[in-house]
Amino acid sequence: GENVEQHPSTLSVQEGDSAVIKCTYSDSASNYFPWYKQELGKRPQLIIDIRSNVGEKKDQRIAVTLNKTAKHFSLHITETQPEDSAVYFCAASKSRDDKIIFGKGTRLHILP
Amino acid sequence: DTAVSQTPKYLVTQMGNDKSIKCEQNLGHDTMYWYKQDSKKFLKIMFSYNNKELIINETVPNRFSPKSPDKAHLNLHINSLELGDSAVYFCASSKANYGYTFGSGTRLTVV
Repeated sequence: GENVEQHPSTLSVQEGDSAVIKCTYSDSASNYFPWYKQELGKRPQLIIDIRSNVGEKKDQRIAVTLNKTAKHFSLHITETQPEDSAVYFCAASKSRDDKIIFGKGTRLHILP
Repeated sequence: DTAVSQTPKYLVTQMGNDKSIKCEQNLGHDTMYWYKQDSKKFLKIMFSYNNKELIINETVPNRFSPKSPDKAHLNLHINSLELGDSAVYFCASSKANYGYTFGSGTRLTVV
């Protein structure tokens, strides 16, 4: 089955700097890659997603890139702000299978 | 409000008891899920239902039994609770191959 690896497990960046979280997946049939943000004590919320027919997608300060050949995808957050502090999860799924497999999460700390 | 709602939000119970968690979505989604989030924040799928039919049943003890009376509801019943069942349980729903909408979670503490 699909396996999603995510790193780093913890990331601290200075406010205003950029943060990058990287994930790899094992199943070449996976074609949908969402990213979730989970603030302390709250539910995971979808922040951005990308499909395998696209190499990059951007939404304001957040961007995702996908390299199908290498089977890895990344989340980039620019001009980080205190409210970006949270746990971020990458995930992958296949079109014929609704199950989404999550990475183990990255705890992002934005330092003042 | 359109949402995925689950109850209760907190559940504290003794070992050996039986408890249920309820989930309802009014988003018109066909698929609903139960995920378990442990103390290390790892999100692991337990069950998935599509239009009231079980489609995913991961390696979960038989003490856990999901029930879907209709496509808007997915409940989770747990028998003979154990200390290791303590976790946050998230219900979620989705359209096929789209991102999930999660419920607010149920923090289960077994003492």
